[in-house]
Amino acid sequence: GNSVTQMEGPVTLSEEAFLTINCTYTATGYPSLFWYVQYPGEGLQLLLKATKADDKGSNKGFEATYRKETTSFHLEKGSVQVSDSAVYFCALTIQGAQKLVFGQGTRLTINP
Amino acid sequence: DGGITQSPKYLFRKEGQNVTLSCEQNLNHDAMYWYRQDPGQGLRLIYYSQIVNDFQKGDIAEGYSVSREKKESFPLTVTSAQKNPTAFYLCASSTQGASNQPQHFGDGTRLSIL
Repeated sequence: GNSVTQMEGPVTLSEEAFLTINCTYTATGYPSLFWYVQYPGEGLQLLLKATKADDKGSNKGFEATYRKETTSFHLEKGSVQVSDSAVYFCALTIQGAQKLVFGQGTRLTINP
Repeated sequence: DGGITQSPKYLFRKEGQNVTLSCEQNLNHDAMYWYRQDPGQGLRLIYYSQIVNDFQKGDIAEGYSVSREKKESFPLTVTSAQKNPTAFYLCASSTQGASNQPQHFGDGTRLSIL
C-alpha cells in the first residue's frame, strides 16, 4: 500500500539552528511528494512539492529533494526562525489518483 | 481573493444530534475533500468528490454523510452514529485529474461534544 512515515516529534531547536525533518514513503506507483505546514488553529498550507525523482522543492528557505533510491523526501532549512514554529506534514499522491496520504506530522518549536 | 471558507470555526454537538459543517470554495476546483485531524495524528480522509453529484467514501466514512449539489459547496454532516466526533475537520479542494497539483485547505472547524 501507500504510506508516509515522518520523524517523530516534538522537535525543539534554538533560533538559527539547522533543521532536518525526516520523511520516508512507500508507494505502489509514481508518487508526487509534498510538505505542508500547519500554524496553530489554522488549516494546512502547501510549503513545497516535488513531482519526479531528483526534483528539489524549495520555498521560504526550506528545501526537500525527491530521492527515489532511498524513498525519502527530507525537509531541511539552514537557519530556522521563531516564526517557523508549526506542525509539518509530509504527504504523497499517486499518479492517477488525487487522494493525499499524510504522515503523522512533526511539531516544531523554535526558541529565541 | 480565491480560497476555501469553512464555517463555523467552532461547533458544539449534543448527544444524538446531527450537525453540518460548511465548506465553500471559489477556486473553480472540481475536486473537494473532507479530512479529520486528531491530536498527534495525521489527517484521515472522510469523503471526497471529484465532480458535482458524485462522491466516494474515504478511509473513515462511517458516521458521516456528504452532498455535492454545487461545484462550490461540499457540506459534511456528522451524524449521531459517529460515536467519537470530537476532532478538527478540514476541507480541501484541488484541480481534477492532476495528482501532482496540491490541495488547498480551509482553516478548519473544531467540533466538540457538549
